[in-house]
This record gives sequence, C-alpha cells and structure tokens, in this order.
Amino acid sequence: DTEVTQTPKHLVMGMTNKKSLKCEQHMGHRAMYWYKQKAKKPPELMFVYSYEKLSINESVPSRFSPECPNSSLLNLHLHALQPEDSALYLCASSQDAKNTGELFFGEGSRLTVL
Amino acid sequence: SQQGEEDPQALSIQEGENATMNCSYKTSINNLQWYRQNSGRGLVHLILIRSNEREKHSGRLRVTLDTSKKSSSLLITASRAADTASYFCATLIQGAQKLVFGQGTRLTINP
Repeated sequence: DTEVTQTPKHLVMGMTNKKSLKCEQHMGHRAMYWYKQKAKKPPELMFVYSYEKLSINESVPSRFSPECPNSSLLNLHLHALQPEDSALYLCASSQDAKNTGELFFGEGSRLTVL
Repeated sequence: SQQGEEDPQALSIQEGENATMNCSYKTSINNLQWYRQNSGRGLVHLILIRSNEREKHSGRLRVTLDTSKKSSSLLITASRAADTASYFCATLIQGAQKLVFGQGTRLTINP
C-alpha cells in the first residue's frame, strides 16, 4: 500500500469555524509533513513530524495546529482562519526525516475560507 | 524560503518532441528530486539524484546534476499528451530535514 489518504477533499469554512484536516498512511513511514500550496505556486512546507514528534514548524500562525496521534495519522486543526488561508493543503510522508528521500503525497484537501 | 528557480516557467511543445526543464539552486544539497503535479492534484515523485551523482535515467526521463553550477535539468523524451503537468524540482538542503520546492515549470503537450 503506497497511498497517503487525505480527508476531506474539499472544505468550505467560515472565519469563526473550527475544522480539521486528516491524513493517513500505512507504509510504516516515520516522517509526515504538511505543505500549503496556493494556485500556480510551489508547495510551501508548514510542519514536519519525525517519529511522532514535531521537528519543524516553519513559523506557521497558531490558527493552524498540527497533531500526530500515532505514526500513521496526522491532523491539522484549523481555527479562526482568514480568507488568505484558502489553498490546497498537502500531506506527505517519507521513510524518515533525517535523510529525506522520496516524499509520498496525498491528493490534498482544498480549503476555502469565506 | 525560495531555494530553486526553474526555467522556463511554461513550456508548450508538440507530442513526440523532447521537453527540457532546468532548475537552479543556491545552497549545498544532499539530493535533488523532481516531482510532477497534474492540475489540482497531489505531487508524484519522478526521480531522485544524489549530490555525488551526475546523471540518472528512469524510462523516458533523464536527469542531470551539476553541483559546481548548482543546477539540474530534467529531460522528457518522446513526450505524450499525458505528460501535460507542472514539474517541480525539490532540494534537500544539507543540515536541514526539509525538502524545498522550486517555482515549477508548466508543461503543455499539444496533440
């Protein structure tokens, strides 16, 4: 199984809502990532989890809160977002974070903030 | 931070022709990777080349790496309509545990 599964595929939320994006992999990978991608731009790294511990936070605003409940799951909790946070949110995994090889990406969650 | 610059930003060719995309980067790297992204979808890994390698092949793909010039190129031979996508280079910066993506090249293959 070489899949990274993200849910939901699409999400529309108001600025006062609280929602979560979910990501799951069953490849035994020990590193998981959240990237944000705006239209016609490259993915930008947000967070890296290595062995279920947060190892990199790219100065992301606190309205984005990551969580790694176990080695297969990665969540991104969203609260009080702004319209400019509308983007494609991509989850990825790799065997480990120290010597990053190939990243396996999910199909993304397209978020619209009204 | 912006590590990779890709050139050209957009490329349109006829089916069957070869497509070449270039990537330049600024700092020392452990490896350089190329990914493909179909519109609005996730990224798919194409090929990884390590800093001590100069050339790598995978099917119709050929990647070169010149660490002295801090540049890489991706050649797709005998292009097909299904190759239409955005292509990103990504560099694993030495000492950092993160992959940084270039701006990408939007490739269109015309039938």
